[in-house]
Amino acid sequence: EIVLTQSPDTLSLSPGERVTLSCRASQSLSSGYLAWYQRKPGQAPRLLIYDVRIRATGIPDRFSGSGSGTDFTLTVSRLEPEDFAVYYCQHYGSPLPWTFGQGTKVEIK
Amino acid sequence: QVTLRESGPALVRPTETLTLTCSFSGFSLTTSGMCVSWIRQPPGKALEWLARIDWDDEKFYSPSLKTRLTISKDTSKNQVVLTMTNMDPVDTATYYCARGHGAIFVPFHSWGQGTLVTVSS
Repeated sequence: EIVLTQSPDTLSLSPGERVTLSCRASQSLSSGYLAWYQRKPGQAPRLLIYDVRIRATGIPDRFSGSGSGTDFTLTVSRLEPEDFAVYYCQHYGSPLPWTFGQGTKVEIK
Repeated sequence: QVTLRESGPALVRPTETLTLTCSFSGFSLTTSGMCVSWIRQPPGKALEWLARIDWDDEKFYSPSLKTRLTISKDTSKNQVVLTMTNMDPVDTATYYCARGHGAIFVPFHSWGQGTLVTVSS
C-alpha cells in the first residue's frame, strides 16, 4: 500500500498569501496518478488537480500542482477567502488500494 | 449537472450488515469509462477508498476489506449499492460515493455529501 504523508498538518495564513502544500509518497508514483481535493465543512470534497498538474474543470488558475516520483506540491498563488479549507492528496494508480493523505488544514490567521 | 447522494441507516449494530445506496443523476453508468466508488472517513482519520464499480461491471475492492464488501449497480435506477458485512465500531465513519470517468486509473471527479454511519450496540 502506498502511504501518502502531507505536511504540514495545519497552516495559518492571511488572504493574499501564497501557500505550498506538500504530499510525500512512500514509493514512487511513476505513473503520475496523483490528485488534490479541497473540502470545506459541510460540503462534498471537490477535485482540484489530477495527473499531478491538470486543473479540473472550473478550478481557478491560482491553483497549481507539481512534482514527480515521491514528492508532490499543491500551490495556491494568492489565497482567497473561499480557499480556507482542508486539502487532501490521493494516489489513484497501481497498486491498489487507492489511498489519501491525512489532509492539511489551511486556516485564517 | 452531476449529483450523487448517499443513503442508508445512520445506526447499525455490531456484526450487522450495512447496506448503502448511492443515487446519482447527470450521468449514466452505461457510458463507456464511467465508474462509481465508495470512500469513507472515520472521525478524525484519513479518507479511505473502499470499492469501485465500472460501466462494464468490472469491480475493484480495497484488499484489506475485500472479504466484507460487495458493490453492485442498477443502471435502470441510476444507483450503486455497497454492502459491508460484520460491522464493527471501528467502521463508524462518513461514507461517500464518488464518480470517475476515463481509463482504468481515474480520480474522483464528483462526490456526494456523505452519510454518517455509527456502529454501536
